[in-house]
Amino acid sequence: DTAVSQTPKYLVTQMGNDKSIKCEQNLGHDTMYWYKQDSKKFLKIMFSYNNKELIINETVPNRFSPKSPDKAHLNLHINSLELGDSAVYFCASSQKAGEETQYFGPGTRLLVL
Amino acid sequence: AQSVTQLGSHVSVSEGALVLLRCNYSSSVPPYLFWYVQYPNQGLQLLLKYTTGATLVKGINGFEAEFKKSETSFHLTKPSAHMSDAAEYFCAVSDGRTGFQKLVFGTGTRLLVSP
Repeated sequence: DTAVSQTPKYLVTQMGNDKSIKCEQNLGHDTMYWYKQDSKKFLKIMFSYNNKELIINETVPNRFSPKSPDKAHLNLHINSLELGDSAVYFCASSQKAGEETQYFGPGTRLLVL
Repeated sequence: AQSVTQLGSHVSVSEGALVLLRCNYSSSVPPYLFWYVQYPNQGLQLLLKYTTGATLVKGINGFEAEFKKSETSFHLTKPSAHMSDAAEYFCAVSDGRTGFQKLVFGTGTRLLVSP
């Protein structure tokens, strides 16, 4: 009965490869987010979707493309992976936008070699 | 733009001692403020949040924080530390009035609890 789940938990890949991270929430929330946590634990928002519509798009390279097939899923596809993409990627969701609490997934640890 | 400063990347306390983690924010609009905790190899969990109303906010696990507008602070406290409190703590700010919440996080404070 995991609220926000991510797959895979760990991802090790070579530079130049394309990879996807999947996120699913079973909370019935309208809004989902992707955050990146770097090696110094700094967390920064990347994208946010509300009812499958992109509402926040921070300064993220075009190699990163989020896709929301439905309200419960927000996937992150990364093209041409670079060493600097190594980080922990967290998915989160909230009931709706505004003051609502965000619930975080367990994270996907991406290591680019 | 909004920002958060957390003073001290590491804070060490003894079990049973007072926990004080500092957070100062910058915001041109009334902020919403949050404290999240991250245990090793896990996602973030909300400890408490301030949106409007009472400035002293109580959260889970005995933590509380006070919103002080004059000091632009939202420090996190717990009267008596427990070994299980050892974790990374993040303060965050958002402007919920825009309709879409974008959390801006501080750089985190690692709390170390010794026996």
